[in-house]
Amino acid sequence: AQSVTQLDSHVSVSEGTPVLLRCNYSSSYSPSLFWYVQHPNKGLQLLLKYTSAATLVKGINGFEAEFKKSETSFHLTKPSAHMSDAAEYFCVVKAARQLTFGSGTQLTVLP
Amino acid sequence: EAGVVQSPRYKIIEKKQPVAFWCNPISGHNTLYWYLQNLGQGPELLIRYENEEAVDDSQLPKDRFSAERLKGVDSTLKIQPAELGDSAVYLCASSLAGSETQYFGPGTRLLVL
Repeated sequence: AQSVTQLDSHVSVSEGTPVLLRCNYSSSYSPSLFWYVQHPNKGLQLLLKYTSAATLVKGINGFEAEFKKSETSFHLTKPSAHMSDAAEYFCVVKAARQLTFGSGTQLTVLP
Repeated sequence: EAGVVQSPRYKIIEKKQPVAFWCNPISGHNTLYWYLQNLGQGPELLIRYENEEAVDDSQLPKDRFSAERLKGVDSTLKIQPAELGDSAVYLCASSLAGSETQYFGPGTRLLVL
């Protein structure tokens, strides 16, 4: 069985400072991992995905994530937060054609 | 290119009433998913269709929930009768056959009073 744990339900950063959203996964197989973002009243949007190629994955809007098998982690980072980054972020693991979502991290960006 | 379309966006009903949600996936996407998202949680899969065939409905509460995708394009999710605990956001997603990337609609927010 596969699962993901998002270690922080809320993260608050100041505009222009780095963002770190933490995710640990559990999977019986070599996993495919994703980060999705959900803005209020909008659909979930794919930020990036890891599918056993490069361990450092670059996504849209300046986000990137690093797959670390030894730590079973897939943390999402961005060097400098923008106000438009305020949203809920979901770490997702895929196995057997099924997505399993984490409980989400609400990112607040302070001016 | 149009994204996944869902309607209605919002629905308020009294308990024990029926309700239906509609989804139009991205053109050409063979695979369609329905998810349930409770407040403060991540989405959970209810059912997955490959064309018109439901290939994974193990999480669908079949006593009150039903779904169909008759022509392998649009899909309808129905609840009858609705219960207070069904208040949630119902998300539809679609993907190309064999693709890992799912595209999500904006969801239908259901409130059962």
